[in-house]
Amino acid sequence: QVQLQESGPGLVKPSETLSLTCAVSGYSISSGYYWGWIRQPPGKGLEWIGSIYHSGSTYYNPSLKSRVTISVDTSKNQFSLKLSSVTAADTAVYYCAGGGGVTTNFDYWGQGTLVTVSS
Amino acid sequence: NFMLTQPHSVSESPGKTVTISCTGSSGSIASNYVQWYQQRPGSAPTTVIYEDNQRPSGVPDRFSGSIDSSSNSASLTISGLKTEDEADYYCQSYDSSNFVVFGGGTKLTVL
Repeated sequence: QVQLQESGPGLVKPSETLSLTCAVSGYSISSGYYWGWIRQPPGKGLEWIGSIYHSGSTYYNPSLKSRVTISVDTSKNQFSLKLSSVTAADTAVYYCAGGGGVTTNFDYWGQGTLVTVSS
Repeated sequence: NFMLTQPHSVSESPGKTVTISCTGSSGSIASNYVQWYQQRPGSAPTTVIYEDNQRPSGVPDRFSGSIDSSSNSASLTISGLKTEDEADYYCQSYDSSNFVVFGGGTKLTVL
């Protein structure tokens, strides 16, 4: 059974970089699949941040592209998100997710982690 | 930019049937698969429909998905409504650049 678990600081100061990691168990990232980050501001809808294929190809939401980096670490079987120059508008629950590719659904989701941007 | 538009909320009584729409802003929604997710408060989304009309194992056949090219819309239909179906529902697709797009979400109330 594939399981995903987000980890990282729950509080980030404005202008700093938000860094999260998603540990994958029950599946080897290097075998394939498509991994993504999605966020949800309190009381609002889902927003796709970006995705990465196991090959390393990345796709980023155009509205966030200048601030986002997603990478894969196959040796640790995890993938990561970095979002720079954060503001209060970046406060959200951040989910990591995995699926068969951009054309299909995200099959597996982490439980989500709340990241608050505040001084 | 490609967008998906959903009604903010819908409500219906237990046992009835409800349909939630998801309208594409441009192009043909039929060109790219549409997924539907259910999200209950405090939980991560789960898939109820993928690739327009496919149900994951474990999702009751009360849930169905369809595409209407004439209105450039996808629809999620839930029949025999149960109180446990009360949740937020999101459609999701992607554009020609392989960017994932979510609809704004629809709050389903079963009263």
